[in-house]
Amino acid sequence: NAGVTQTPKFRILKIGQSMTLQCAQDMNHNYMYWYRQDPGMGLKLIYYSVGAGITDKGEVPNGYNVSRSTTEDFPLRLELAAPSQTSVYFCASSYSQGVYGYTFGSGTRLTVV
Amino acid sequence: AQTVTQSQPEMSVQEAETVTLSCTYDTSESDYYLFWYKQPPSRQMILVIRQEAYKQQNATENRFSVNFQKAAKSFSLKISDSQLGDAAMYFCAYRSARLSDMRFGAGTRLTVKP
Repeated sequence: NAGVTQTPKFRILKIGQSMTLQCAQDMNHNYMYWYRQDPGMGLKLIYYSVGAGITDKGEVPNGYNVSRSTTEDFPLRLELAAPSQTSVYFCASSYSQGVYGYTFGSGTRLTVV
Repeated sequence: AQTVTQSQPEMSVQEAETVTLSCTYDTSESDYYLFWYKQPPSRQMILVIRQEAYKQQNATENRFSVNFQKAAKSFSLKISDSQLGDAAMYFCAYRSARLSDMRFGAGTRLTVKP
């Protein structure tokens, strides 16, 4: 199994540009999550989804949008990139509510200049 | 809101010795789950160990064990017989049984000296 696949692994954006971070899982997990990791700050939840067609905001949703049209895919959209969005982004998925833990992708390092 | 605190930004241990990483959390709930994740330089988040709050017995996975003190809201990770491959960032995480959000601490960077 591939698990959780994130693309791209690295990206440099100019201020004001937009992009979509892709996330796909092949484990038939209902729950999917997007986190961002800033130095010394741990991981913070941006958005999550409990199933196809259902998404909800996490702790730091401003500047981001998500959609969940299929069980497998959970893309994260950045509109009008700002330097404050420079971070490492992780997608994760879990069976049910994740009480057995999450499976993480390998992350995307995004730099906004 | 639940918060997770890791008070040790960095720790160091000699190869083959034992090290304990600290974690405390704040919650008013009685049903929840606690985790330790390892993040090596590859950036991949790897689940190390998991504890259910309603179980008094401390979880153990090979060289990794926890000391779960529910009343004190403490969840420390003990690594025995440390190996060079244990060098990584370690994150403590809290997951409510009710809410759809896993909260992470700021992490502890573990260095293993040969």
